[in-house]
Amino acid sequence: DIVMTQSPDSLAVSLGERATINCKSGQSVLYNKNYLAWYQQKPGQPPKLLIYWASTRESGVPDRFSGSGSGTDFTLTINSLQAEDVAVYYCQQYYRIPLTFGPGTKVDIK
Amino acid sequence: EVQLVESGGGLVQPGGSLRLSCAASGFTLSGYWMNWVRQAPGKGLEWVASLRYDGSDEYYVDSVKGRFTISRDNAKNSLYLQMNSLRAEDTAVYYCARGDSSNGWLIDCWGQGALVTVSS
Repeated sequence: DIVMTQSPDSLAVSLGERATINCKSGQSVLYNKNYLAWYQQKPGQPPKLLIYWASTRESGVPDRFSGSGSGTDFTLTINSLQAEDVAVYYCQQYYRIPLTFGPGTKVDIK
Repeated sequence: EVQLVESGGGLVQPGGSLRLSCAASGFTLSGYWMNWVRQAPGKGLEWVASLRYDGSDEYYVDSVKGRFTISRDNAKNSLYLQMNSLRAEDTAVYYCARGDSSNGWLIDCWGQGALVTVSS
């Protein structure tokens, strides 16, 4: 199984500042493309796809969200954090079965 | 509008069975891989099962193999999860989730979830 880890577990960022979340896969998820997605889950809601192929924003996702990285190391960056960005963020590999998620990173307002 | 609506959740005793249903609307189910993902209370996301668009391939997380069965009825635009021999650790919100049209293991749409509680 491909184990996904995330850091930090949680972070608090001031409104308008940048939040950075890291994700590491136990083995490379690169095969022509990086099979890595990011999801946002707000309290009481299902997850929502933000980023796929490590850096492609889903339609309708604000451009303050960006993804980067390759191979085994990935980053989700939220520029100019807004109040509505308070959520838990998960990375997920879809390179191989079983599909696996990171443990999540909780983002709050400082 | 693409929509997934789960039903069939509830309280069941350990060792019991439950069948979840997922009604899809706004798209044709037969063109997509479909998945079930669960989330235990206060915990993270765990993939449970995936089913190819034509039903010819299915995959399960090890912890549910032999106990859970994913199936679909494309004519009814519906997905199912038959859960047998339920255990306390199966307690979770179960999400029906659609795979992306270009890569079925990339989940691009989620239902609101159905809560399954396994307890005596």
